[in-house]
Amino acid sequence: AQSVTQLGSHVSVSEGALVLLRCNYSSSVPPYLFWYVQYPNQGLQLLLKYTSAATLVKGINGFEAEFKKSETSFHLTKPSAHMSDAAEYFCAVSGDSASKIIFGSGTRLSIRP
Amino acid sequence: DVKVTQSSRYLVKRTGEKVFLECVQDMDHENMFWYRQDPGLGLRLIYFSYDVKMKEKGDIPEGYSVSREKKERFSLILESASTNQTSMYLCASTSGSTADTQYFGPGTRLTVL
Repeated sequence: AQSVTQLGSHVSVSEGALVLLRCNYSSSVPPYLFWYVQYPNQGLQLLLKYTSAATLVKGINGFEAEFKKSETSFHLTKPSAHMSDAAEYFCAVSGDSASKIIFGSGTRLSIRP
Repeated sequence: DVKVTQSSRYLVKRTGEKVFLECVQDMDHENMFWYRQDPGLGLRLIYFSYDVKMKEKGDIPEGYSVSREKKERFSLILESASTNQTSMYLCASTSGSTADTQYFGPGTRLTVL
């Protein structure tokens, strides 16, 4: 069965610093992988997704993620954090039936001035 | 612009009441989902529907039922609300492919007293 593990429920970085949010997955089939972001008092929106094309995926707001099959990882990065990046981030993997995806437990990102 | 709307942002109900949460999407999507979001647990799938009048149980269906009479509308029903159903409920929709983006509503924060 597919699963996702997000390392670190809370990450805090200084404004301008590198953002790194970690995600490892388990899948018995070639996966589709997603990062979603949830700003306070809002639903989730897609940041980026990997669908077996390029292993380095660029998303919105300067975020990117790299699919590493050998490490079963899909970590999210941004070179320079901005205050507006403060939110909760969810990694997700495609499930075992049509359209279902499995979400990780989430990582809350805080930005220090 | 795509849109998923949920009938209420905040709802307070009493134990034993029957509760209806409604979700409407305007994208002509086949698939619709109800998730429950709790701190530290991420999003857990309650039910999903892949066509009108078709539904499948997700990971935590106990205590919930759903209805999909029209393609654009997917309702979540708590037959007899209990305090352990106090949570954030998120609706999402997507077209037929697993690689497609899920579009989320803003969520309903339900408190059961």
